[in-house]
Amino acid sequence: AQKITQTQPGMFVQEKEAVTLDCTYDTSDPSYGLFWYKQPSSGEMIFLIYQGSYDQQNATEGRYSLNFQKARKSANLVISASQLGDSAMYFCAMRTKTSYDKVIFGPGTSLSVIP
Amino acid sequence: DSGVTQTPKHLITATGQRVTLRCSPRSGDLSVYWYQQSLDQGLQFLIQYYNGEERAKGNILERFSAQQFPDLHSELNLSSLELGDSALYFCASSVGGGLGNNEQFFGPGTRLTVL
Repeated sequence: AQKITQTQPGMFVQEKEAVTLDCTYDTSDPSYGLFWYKQPSSGEMIFLIYQGSYDQQNATEGRYSLNFQKARKSANLVISASQLGDSAMYFCAMRTKTSYDKVIFGPGTSLSVIP
Repeated sequence: DSGVTQTPKHLITATGQRVTLRCSPRSGDLSVYWYQQSLDQGLQFLIQYYNGEERAKGNILERFSAQQFPDLHSELNLSSLELGDSALYFCASSVGGGLGNNEQFFGPGTRLTVL
């Protein structure tokens, strides 16, 4: 069964520090994509970063990077130089080749950035 | 602003009633997805349409139905509403339906409250 696990329900980080949000996934499909979304308290879902299962390099988008460890089936999000505006819920999600039009979301991690 | 619009923003109704949620995808996007976000179930994929045709089905109840019109806007119909249907309903759109970085852009959501 396809599943996304985010084991940290809540995280705190000091402003300007880096933080890693954990995500592990389970699929038997060799082709898949992994996504991270941010949901601020206002409710909208904001796409952050994407990693394909065959991508040779870890994805980076500005202050966001994805620590992709395929053998461990983990896709941790690293946020560098945290800002107060980074306080939000963060969701890891997956789409596989056999279900490419569905996106499976993890339960989310609530990140609070402390001044 | 993702370019995806959803109306209404808030909806309050009574049990047993029927409501219609509307979504307009980003210009040029052919796929529309519907998601339900509730406190107990998290983010759940409901259904996806691609260029007017149903493409994938997730955890959508039989009391719920959706369609995508020739102008590509979509409507989600919820009938015989129950208290447990209270949730945030998201619409998302993407250009296509392939496995690659087919980023889904989310609308602001419709907050449904069933009393």
